[in-house]
Amino acid sequence: AQSVTQPDIHITVSEGASLELRCNYSYGATPYLFWYVQSPGQGLQLLLKYFSGDTLVQGIKGFEAEFKRSQSSFNLRKPSVHWSDAAEYFCAVMYSGGGADGLTFGKGTHLIIQP
Amino acid sequence: NAGVTQTPKFQVLKTGQSMTLQCAQDMNHEYMSWYRQDPGMGLRLIHYSVGAGITDQGEVPNGYNVSRSTTEDFPLRLLSAAPSQTSVYFCASSFLWTGLPYEQYFGPGTRLTVT
Repeated sequence: AQSVTQPDIHITVSEGASLELRCNYSYGATPYLFWYVQSPGQGLQLLLKYFSGDTLVQGIKGFEAEFKRSQSSFNLRKPSVHWSDAAEYFCAVMYSGGGADGLTFGKGTHLIIQP
Repeated sequence: NAGVTQTPKFQVLKTGQSMTLQCAQDMNHEYMSWYRQDPGMGLRLIHYSVGAGITDQGEVPNGYNVSRSTTEDFPLRLLSAAPSQTSVYFCASSFLWTGLPYEQYFGPGTRLTVT
């Protein structure tokens, strides 16, 4: 069964510092990859997605992610975090040829921003 | 354009009671889905629909019923509430791309407590 691993349950970063959140997915057919953000008490908002093409994907709010097939990874990055980036971040994957029930989420990484 | 709306925002039920969580979208999306979010578990798919009159089970369907009589609405019914169904419920919608949900838009969630 497909799976998504977010190895870091919590990450603490100082405001203005760079950020990288890790995501690894189980090997399968062509993966389609997503990062979502959830602010406290809110629903999920799509930050970016990868379907094909350039493996470096730009998203909203200054985030980017890089798809590395050889490492089965899709890590999320931001060069300089702001206090408003404090939230829960979810990586998700589905596969070409998979069913419409095939979007699998990781368990999330909780990002804390220190002043 | 309201996007995906969910009602109610909060609900407390007693064990054995039934209720319906409402979800509506105004984006003419074919695909709609229900997830539950539990601490440390990420999001797990309950049921989904790829169009009016078509529904299917996700990862955790037991104790829940759905129907899709219109494109806009996708209600989730709890038949006989149990404490294990205490959770935050999210509805999402998307248009389909090669049969897959291309980019899901999430509602704000319903926080359900079963005592």
